[in-house]
Parts: sequence; C-alpha cells; structure tokens
Amino acid sequence: NAGVTQTPKFRVLKTGQSMTLLCAQDMNHEYMYWYRQDPGMGLRLIHYSVGEGTTAKGEVPDGYNVSRLKKQNFLLGLESAAPSQTSVYFCASNFQGATEAFFGQGTRLTVV
Amino acid sequence: GQQVMQIPQYQHVQEGEDFTTYCNSSTTLSNIQWYKQRPGGHPVFLIQLVKSGEVKKQKRLTFQFGEAKKNSSLHITATQTTDVGTYFCAGKGGATNKLIFGTGTLLAVQP
Repeated sequence: NAGVTQTPKFRVLKTGQSMTLLCAQDMNHEYMYWYRQDPGMGLRLIHYSVGEGTTAKGEVPDGYNVSRLKKQNFLLGLESAAPSQTSVYFCASNFQGATEAFFGQGTRLTVV
Repeated sequence: GQQVMQIPQYQHVQEGEDFTTYCNSSTTLSNIQWYKQRPGGHPVFLIQLVKSGEVKKQKRLTFQFGEAKKNSSLHITATQTTDVGTYFCAGKGGATNKLIFGTGTLLAVQP
C-alpha cells in the first residue's frame, strides 16, 4: 500500500519551460489537492478535485492547470514556468474533504 | 475567501518547557485538523476536532476547538527534542470543499 506518491521528487526548470507533476493515490480517495509550500507562507492550496473529471481553483491557481482523468491520479501542470513558481509542491488526498488528509513526499521545483 | 492564521510563526523553547500555538479562521469551520511536519518531511495528520468546545489529548499534546468553531489551539507540555517541527492547523469551511491550511508554527527545542 503505497499511499500517495508524487513524481518527480526534484526538478530544475528553465524559465518558460513546461512540466507536469504527477500524484497517484491507491486509497480510493475522492478528494485530491495540490499545495505549494514557501517559507513563512504555510501550505497554500493551488487546485483541488472532489472526484474524477472535476477540478476547482484554490487560493493561488494562477500559472497552473490540473486534470483528474482517473480517480487515482491528479496532475499539476506548469505551462510556462516562472522563478516565482520555485517551491515545494505537495499533493494530498482524503475522503470527502473532512477526514484525515494523506500527503505525498513532495516535489522540490526550482525555476532558474 | 477563507483565511487561517497561526501564531506564533516561530517559537524556540528549552527542552522541558511548554509550548502553545494558536489557530484563527476568518470563517466558521466544520472541523479543525492538526498536522506535524518534521524538517525535510511532509505533513502528517495528528488529530481532528469537530464539536464546539471540544478538547482532546494525545499524551503530552492537548488540542482545543473554540466555542465559535473559528479558533483552535495546540498545547505541548514539557517539550522534548522529538517535538521539533512545524505544526499546522487545517480547516474546512461549511460551504466549501477546500481544505485550507494555516501558516504554521515552527517549533525549535533546545536540549
């Protein structure tokens, strides 16, 4: 039982490049989230999904897109990376949003 | 939109001293959760409070949910070096599906 798995764990991008972060969970959770963590800012919600085929904006959605084509996967895309998107990204999932959230190990992204 | 603030942002204590972090939401919460993140790690769930005025204990940790369900606190008695990390509260507003995290409190414990 792997829980929540994020790939990749580390990545360096040049400004303007694109990439996709993958989050996979094997707990049959309906809800999935993408957060970014920056020093002194806590965990800020980028986008979230309440079920397969649905997505919604969080607190800081600009510059990111997401897709939830399969219940177990939640993809976060950066179409044109900017240095302001340098951060640690965490994926999380839970049942119906009001229960314990399980986090992935995080992806450390640097945009130069 | 819903905002969740925590104070203090950082706390440094001597081992054996007590520690408290406070969480305040701009909106009424359906529940409050607390997480701990060790340095270099990911957030790990500690507990969930649901009822107004609820108090729960886990060994040296005491969690409270305010009567108005807009604030919460975590108190650690007699801190140990293993308590080091960032403590986050997280809440879900009644009319939203978003799980919003607080700004976190980084706890440093000096032996």
